[in-house]
Order: sequence, then C-alpha cells, then structure tokens
Amino acid sequence: QSALTQPPSASGSPGQSVTISCTGTSSDVGGYNYVSWYQQHPGKAPKVLIYEVSKRPSGVPDRFSGSKSGNTASLTVSGLQADDEADYFCSSYGGSKNVVFGGGTKLTVL
Amino acid sequence: EVQLVESGGGLVQPGGSLRLSCAASGFIFNKFWMSWVRQAPGKGLEWVANIEQDGSEKYYVDSVKGRFTISRDNAKNSLYLQVNGLRAEDTAVYYCARGVSPDNWGQGTLVTVSA
Repeated sequence: QSALTQPPSASGSPGQSVTISCTGTSSDVGGYNYVSWYQQHPGKAPKVLIYEVSKRPSGVPDRFSGSKSGNTASLTVSGLQADDEADYFCSSYGGSKNVVFGGGTKLTVL
Repeated sequence: EVQLVESGGGLVQPGGSLRLSCAASGFIFNKFWMSWVRQAPGKGLEWVANIEQDGSEKYYVDSVKGRFTISRDNAKNSLYLQVNGLRAEDTAVYYCARGVSPDNWGQGTLVTVSA
C-alpha cells in the first residue's frame, strides 16, 4: 500500500498547458484502468476531475484530460486559468478493494 | 444532488475513541460502496476503509486494522467509522466518500488526537 509518486509542484502561466504525472506499479496504476484525479482548493473537499483514467464527470471542463502509459498516469490541464491553482491528487485501485493515493501536486498559476 | 455530511470529530486523548458518522442523501445509498479517506494537516490523502453495499465486505488500510471499524445502516442512509486506540498520527480530517474510487466527497470532520 505504498503511495503513488507525484511531483510536489508544477506551474504554468495563464493559457498554457501543464501535465502532472502519477507513477505507481503494475499492482496499481499499471494493473487497472481505475485511475482518478482530484482537485482540492485550500480548506475544501477534493473534487473528482477524471475517473477510469480518462473519463470526465459532467460539469468538468474538457481542459482537463487524463491518460495512462504503463505504470504512469498523467493529468493535463490546458488553457490554465487562475482558479486552477490548487492541489491535485491521483488515485488508483490497488486490488482487494484497496485504493492508493498520490502525495499530491501543488499547481501554481504564474 | 449528492450530499455527504460528516459529524463526530473532535479532540480526543491518545488511546481514546470516537464514532464518526456520515449522512448521505441525493442518491440510492444501498447501491454504492462507501469509503472513508483521511488527510493529515498539510498532507496528502490516505484511504482508510471501505464497505460493500450490504456491509458484508469491509477493507482497511494496514495502519488501522484492529483499531477502526467501518459500518453502515442502509435504512438510515448512514455510514460510520468507529475509531479506537487513537494515536497522534491519526490526527486528520476524515472524509466520507462514495464509491471505491470516490466520486463524491463530504466536507470532512476533524479528529485531533492530543494529550
């Protein structure tokens, strides 16, 4: 039940794109197509942006997209906006109904 | 609209106990797995436990096995987490969430373990 690995920080200017990675193992990210991404603003609950690797819930802008290659999943935020400044967490199903989260990435909009 | 409202957190001494509750509304509660996820101050998210629709299957992160118990009452649309033997490292905001890979989260309830 080791945490997934995310870069602690990422940044970009308004209008640019930024990609956040999430690296696990063949027992979690690489073994299942159940990767989710969450956005969390300070003092708020997490909000799901992406589920099942690349699916977006209704209401989530298509500026947010997800993908996976091997043991690494990625979240891309296009057309950065000021309100995108937040913490981003990935999660993956890890078998036996276990779920593992990444350590989080703080996204700064310059 | 899905709503999850946690309660029951507070300040407790090491070794103490609390019962966290989560009131669910806006969806058919007994159709979904439910989870507890915690977040220590300034830290990341950690899955704690989840429970199957009828309560027959329960899973826990290793660090809480034997101390925490997840349960649900489908007649009351409620999820619970009994936390015993609390340690300083259990200090966190505890979130109630829908699903194994959560798609909806409550606002959380803060548990502080301190002497």
